[in-house]
Amino acid sequence: DTAVSQTPKYLVTQMGNDKSIKCEQNLGHDTMYWYKQDSKKFLKIMFSYNNKELIINETVPNRFSPKSPDKAHLNLHINSLELGDSAVYFCASSPGPGPYEQYFGPGTRLTVT
Amino acid sequence: QKEVEQNSGPLSVPEGAIASLNCTYSDRGSQSFFWYRQYSGKSPELIMSIYSNGDKEDGRFTAQLNKASQYVSLLIRDSQPSDSATYLCAVIGSSNTGKLIFGQGTTLQVKP
Repeated sequence: DTAVSQTPKYLVTQMGNDKSIKCEQNLGHDTMYWYKQDSKKFLKIMFSYNNKELIINETVPNRFSPKSPDKAHLNLHINSLELGDSAVYFCASSPGPGPYEQYFGPGTRLTVT
Repeated sequence: QKEVEQNSGPLSVPEGAIASLNCTYSDRGSQSFFWYRQYSGKSPELIMSIYSNGDKEDGRFTAQLNKASQYVSLLIRDSQPSDSATYLCAVIGSSNTGKLIFGQGTTLQVKP
């Protein structure tokens, strides 16, 4: 009965590769998010989708491309991976795009070598 | 000035004591405030949300909000070693898009 799930949990890859992270929520929420937590543990928003529509697009390299096939799923594709992309990526969801509580998935630890 | 500021700590308290965690924010139009707990290697877990000035209590946790001073705090009563974690203050700003802005977190250590 996991609320927000992500796959894979760990991802180790080489520079220059392309990889994807998948997220699914079964809470019936309309809004989903991607956050990045860097090596200093600082958590920062990257993207947000509301019912398949992109509503937050922070200043991230265009190598990062989110995609939401439906409101329960949000994927993150990363092209031409760089060492600096190593981080933990968290997916989250909320009932809507406003002042609502957000619930986080378990995270995907990406290591680029 | 950082958008959301917390003292990174570590804050060390003895078991059974009250732990007081503080947070300030810069966007005066912010309306939604949250406290998350994050254990090492785990994801942020929502423990409190607060939207109005004053206190909100949930079990051993009390969140306090003072919008005039742009200040949010979290009190943990009867602290337990299992409360040892990083506590993240998060704010949704005046844009109200759901963009959560996090502080850098305060590490709490509860010593038996």
